[in-house]
Amino acid sequence: DQQVKQNSPSLSVQEGRISILNCDYTNSMFDYFLWYKKYPAEGPTFLISISSIKDKNEDGRFTVFLNKSAKHLSLHIVPSQPGDSAVYFCAATGGADKLIFGTGTRLQVFP
Amino acid sequence: GAGVSQSPSNKVTEKGKDVELRCDPISGHTALYWYRQSLGQGLEFLIYFQGNSAPDKSGLPSDRFSAERTGGSVSTLTIQRTQQEDSAVYLCASSLGGWSTDTQYFGPGTRLTVL
Repeated sequence: DQQVKQNSPSLSVQEGRISILNCDYTNSMFDYFLWYKKYPAEGPTFLISISSIKDKNEDGRFTVFLNKSAKHLSLHIVPSQPGDSAVYFCAATGGADKLIFGTGTRLQVFP
Repeated sequence: GAGVSQSPSNKVTEKGKDVELRCDPISGHTALYWYRQSLGQGLEFLIYFQGNSAPDKSGLPSDRFSAERTGGSVSTLTIQRTQQEDSAVYLCASSLGGWSTDTQYFGPGTRLTVL
């Protein structure tokens, strides 16, 4: 039972354009959401998070949007840069519980 | 400062052998997590340590898997009688506290291949 779903395994975007990565969840008890970024042969690194009391959190080129009624969140990267090419994992947690990760979306930003 | 380190970076073993994977967390981090990522899958939680105690072992897939942490620092994940389905990248993470909202810092992982 996949509680956190990233239905797009890959995404290709031209440099300078917006990248939108999507994530859906099923557990209504989740109240904190995170995005991690992973380069090949490295561990994931934390990118940005959002609490369920908010619907938007912004950090530079990265913005995460949360739609609680739809149980959906998205990560927007604008403008996209070649260095953003990586696998992006969505994760969620509720209360003091462990993080549940999605399967990841591979983003490729081409010139 | 030093990040989370894991050793070995790669391990190839034969089916039925035992393997030990090591994780050195960031100094001062009380929480330590083990995950694995199988081909095409997300990060699957295995076990969580707070200090030397493991309050959540719910993700260990079978009794062939065990882990310990000593001195509130280094952790070892042991897989006995390895099977081909154990092949995956095993990732370790640590965080300052044990809250799920604390940022987890990941090591580079150990790629385990069981032949």
